[in-house]
Amino acid sequence: NAGVTQTPKFQVLKTGQSMTLQCAQDMNHEYMSWYRQDPGMGLRLIHYSVGAGITDQGEVPNGYNVSRSTTEDFPLRLLSAAPSQTSVYFCASSSFRTGSFNEQFFGPGTRLTVL
Amino acid sequence: LAKTTQPISMDSYEGQEVNITCSHNNIATNDYITWYQQFPSQGPRFIIQGYKTKVTNEVASLFIPADRKSSTLSLPRVSLSDTAVYYCLVGPPGAGSYQLTFGKGTKLSVIP
Repeated sequence: NAGVTQTPKFQVLKTGQSMTLQCAQDMNHEYMSWYRQDPGMGLRLIHYSVGAGITDQGEVPNGYNVSRSTTEDFPLRLLSAAPSQTSVYFCASSSFRTGSFNEQFFGPGTRLTVL
Repeated sequence: LAKTTQPISMDSYEGQEVNITCSHNNIATNDYITWYQQFPSQGPRFIIQGYKTKVTNEVASLFIPADRKSSTLSLPRVSLSDTAVYYCLVGPPGAGSYQLTFGKGTKLSVIP
């Protein structure tokens, strides 16, 4: 199992550009989520999904869109990048079947810089 | 979800036992306590989870008193590789809650 994979690892954008951060998991997990982590801070939830076709907003959803067309993939779209979106982005997944929802599996992260 | 409070940072020498305490005064009856570890430039990694009393695995021990208003993560004989940020989370199992809050965590620095 590859676990949770994210691409790209690094990205530099100019203000106003759009892009999609990719996230995929091969563990057949129902739950997937996106977090951002700013320097010296904890993780803040952007969007999450409890299954294909179902998404919802987290703590900081503005400026981001998500969709979940398959169980495996959960891309995060930046509509019009702003310097305030410079951060490290983590994707995570979890299974409801284990009865231990709190155990999330995280990807390696995407480091995004917006100039 | 229950709010948690933990120290911002801790220092320890190699070989010592480290105890990191997390306060969660408003923990609910069905909430579990979970700890994650995050190394620099990596995503968080699950370490241990418990409901009451004591849980031990190959990495750490988790002590939870009877009132469950706090918990202590214990790392035996730390090494330099244990330098990381440790997060305490409290929430229900299963699909009871879809959002987890990672605070700033406790930054543990292990000194040679």
